[in-house]
Amino acid sequence: GQQVMQIPQYQHVQEGEDFTTYCNSSTTLSNIQWYKQRPGGHPVFLIQLVKSGEVKKQKRLTFQFGEAKKNSSLHITATQTTDVGTYFCAGNKKAAVNKLTFGGGTRVLVKP
Amino acid sequence: GAVVSQHPSRVICKSGTSVKIECRSLDFQATTMFWYRQFPKQSLMLMATSNEGSKATYEQGVEKDKFLINHASLTLSTLTVTSAHPEDSSFYICSARYRDNSPLHFGNGTRLTVT
Repeated sequence: GQQVMQIPQYQHVQEGEDFTTYCNSSTTLSNIQWYKQRPGGHPVFLIQLVKSGEVKKQKRLTFQFGEAKKNSSLHITATQTTDVGTYFCAGNKKAAVNKLTFGGGTRVLVKP
Repeated sequence: GAVVSQHPSRVICKSGTSVKIECRSLDFQATTMFWYRQFPKQSLMLMATSNEGSKATYEQGVEKDKFLINHASLTLSTLTVTSAHPEDSSFYICSARYRDNSPLHFGNGTRLTVT
């Protein structure tokens, strides 16, 4: 079945530094979505990418969808303590648009 | 924005009893609702997909007789954990969307503890 992998599993970042988390699918995706889950909370939708090679920005967050629509990345600049949480990517497989498969998540800890 | 309400947020029950969890989309009609289970520090595991007026589609390995799902209307889905056992203790989260490929809106989750 479809697998969505995220690396790294854990990311310890010094406040103010940048980092990138990566998402890779074993199959081509129709779209990819990113969610953030704060400790003790529920996942909250951040963004959806649909087009091959698409890049979207939300303030300090930059999301990219690969040309082959099998991978994606999230880059955060000037990390802040509010960025703490787990970032999940989730993909819709082309042949199964009703089913969203979540990656394992990247748990981000910020050192002040 | 789209709001999904999940109730209860926490429940403690005795082994052998059943627990019902409700998931409501408050300001939109959800064509599809999803039920997930999440273990500590792990990802979301899809349990079943629920469409209004039809039987839920369960993922492989999820017992449909144990986790009963009812999607009675476009704004309400329920998950009943029947004859709960300690190994059913977990964080259960529902999500809803109004059409295919649209983003998921999650409820706050229900932390179930079975003693």
